[in-house]
Amino acid sequence: GQQVMQIPQYQHVQEGEDFTTYCNSSTTLSNIQWYKQRPGGHPVFLIQLVKSGEVKKQKRLTFQFGEAKKNSSLHITATQTTDVGTYFCADFQGAQKLVFGQGTRLTINP
Amino acid sequence: GAVVSQHPSRVICKSGTSVKIECRSLDFQATTMFWYRQFPKQSLMLMATSNEGSKATYEQGVEKDKFLINHASLTLSTLTVTSAHPEDSSFYICSARGALAGGRGRETQYFGPGTRLLVL
Repeated sequence: GQQVMQIPQYQHVQEGEDFTTYCNSSTTLSNIQWYKQRPGGHPVFLIQLVKSGEVKKQKRLTFQFGEAKKNSSLHITATQTTDVGTYFCADFQGAQKLVFGQGTRLTINP
Repeated sequence: GAVVSQHPSRVICKSGTSVKIECRSLDFQATTMFWYRQFPKQSLMLMATSNEGSKATYEQGVEKDKFLINHASLTLSTLTVTSAHPEDSSFYICSARGALAGGRGRETQYFGPGTRLLVL
């Protein structure tokens, strides 16, 4: 099946620095969802992108869907310690099956 | 509040025993339920998809006789890990897809809090 590649695998930043994770596919993505998983927790839904070129914002988080619908990104401005966790992108395959990227683990130095 | 619950949240068992994990959708009927497995520092891997009243569809490489899934009602699915071994130790997460009341009929997928299984 289609693979969703996510980079980087790990990212360590100083508090206040920005952070970006990227999700890529060789084929067209249908709907991209982004999740956050805190250490020891379960994935929590953040947002869904559907349209080509779509950009959505949630406070310091900016989500983008590429024009060709083959990539997506999550950007966090001025990270805070509460942003620590692993961020996953996920794409729908076959209308209902979610396939997750490998995730980007964000750690922050206060 | 939580829309999907899982029980137990954590279980430790001896090798060779069977463990049952329950997944319930709260306040909505789940047309489809999904079971994922997550090993430490890895991504979520879909194990199977189940629709109420029908047999589950397993992903390639997942043994259906080892991971028994029962989706008896629109609010409950169970995963039984039979004859568990240490390599089955993992974080098992269910997800339910359905439409919340007041959600204008739009179906969304909700994840449960997960069950940590440790097989000794």
